[in-house]
Amino acid sequence: EIVMTQSPATLSVSPGERATLSCRASQSVSNKIAWYQQKPGQTPRLLIYGASTRATGIPARFSGSGSGTEFTLTISGLQSEDFAVYYCQLYSNWPSLTFGGGTKVDIK
Amino acid sequence: VQLVQSGAEVKKPGESLKISCKSSGNNFSTYWIGWVRQMPGKGLEWVAIIYPGDSDTTYSPSFQGHVTVSADTATSTVYLQWSSLKASDTATYYCTRHFPMVTTDGYYYYGVDVWGQGTTVTVSS
Repeated sequence: EIVMTQSPATLSVSPGERATLSCRASQSVSNKIAWYQQKPGQTPRLLIYGASTRATGIPARFSGSGSGTEFTLTISGLQSEDFAVYYCQLYSNWPSLTFGGGTKVDIK
Repeated sequence: VQLVQSGAEVKKPGESLKISCKSSGNNFSTYWIGWVRQMPGKGLEWVAIIYPGDSDTTYSPSFQGHVTVSADTATSTVYLQWSSLKASDTATYYCTRHFPMVTTDGYYYYGVDVWGQGTTVTVSS
């Protein structure tokens, strides 16, 4: 079973700054990674799939990169509505799915 | 399209439970429907997924044998059930609809485009 590890667990960032979130797979998964955002009291929202393709309606300040075992979600110019928990999701063995443990982005 | 889940449940350990997720959209049979668990204050955990058209079902190893997923195409409803609940099943359970999306390299990703509102299950003696 492939394990997805996200780091850091919590990231403190000032509004307007850049946030860089990491997701590591225990073995190569090509680019079969998605990223979801969950705000308190809300259901998650898909941000990125295929490691780097933005989902419909997602602002350009969200970008994804990586392949193999190392993946990054970058949020450029953090806005107040971006403070949330972010999860990576593995889908290389579809229909099996795996979520990472999440990274909370909070206000510095 | 909406996924409307059944209401909150309070159960005792050892009891059985079946929660539901009803789709309001068309073509229910042609979309994968999944379940995700979120324990209080914790992250997302994928539970299982079903293709209602042929009831093809896949479970997370962490949940295999403890839950059962089923679908009723006549009522456009997917179910998640337990035969013997444990206190550790206390969580909010979300159903999810998976929509095919094409990546830049031409592969498909079945991403979640619709979430149910969640069903809170509390198991306590």
